[in-house]
Amino acid sequence: AQSVTQPDIHITVSEGASLELRCNYSYGATPYLFWYVQSPGQGLQLLLKYFSGDTLVQGIKGFEAEFKRSQSSFNLRKPSVHWSDAAEYFCAVTSGTYKYIFGTGTRLKVLA
Amino acid sequence: DAGVTQSPTHLIKTRGQQVTLRCSPKSGHDTVSWYQQALGQGPQFIFQYYEEEERQRGNFPDRFSGHQFPNYSSELNVNALLLGDSALYLCASTRQGPNYGYTFGSGTRLTVV
Repeated sequence: AQSVTQPDIHITVSEGASLELRCNYSYGATPYLFWYVQSPGQGLQLLLKYFSGDTLVQGIKGFEAEFKRSQSSFNLRKPSVHWSDAAEYFCAVTSGTYKYIFGTGTRLKVLA
Repeated sequence: DAGVTQSPTHLIKTRGQQVTLRCSPKSGHDTVSWYQQALGQGPQFIFQYYEEEERQRGNFPDRFSGHQFPNYSSELNVNALLLGDSALYLCASTRQGPNYGYTFGSGTRLTVV
């Protein structure tokens, strides 16, 4: 079955610390992968996407993610977290048919 | 350039009633999908519309129906509302061709009492 797993429900980091959010997927076809961020009461904003090519992709707000096919992972990273990064982060996968499968999300808390 | 616009932003309905949610896609987009996001969960795919037809459907009952108009805007209708239908309903649009990724609206918060 197609699925996306975000193992960490909550993560707390100090401002200025590095961040890594994990995402593992199970997908039969070649996946297209996405990371979205959602602030409370808001819709989803696209951070970055991977379709093909270079497995390290850069996104907005200083985020990057690395696609590792052998590990079925697409982890999101940021070298130095800002207080404004506190939000919920969702990983999603699709085969290109536009139906996205989302993970259950990781809520990030940033300590001042 | 306006993104995806959804209306209303909030809605309270009574069990058994019917509701219609509306979505205007981003300019240049011709495909609209609807997602349901329950509290504390990731979005779940309801269905997708392209060329005014339902092209894909997720695991949702027939109480959930939709429509796409010639101008690509879309409606989501839910009949016989249940308490469990309370959620944030997200509309997302994209365009055909290489996968550009969805642009999401801010959603409609539906509360069923």
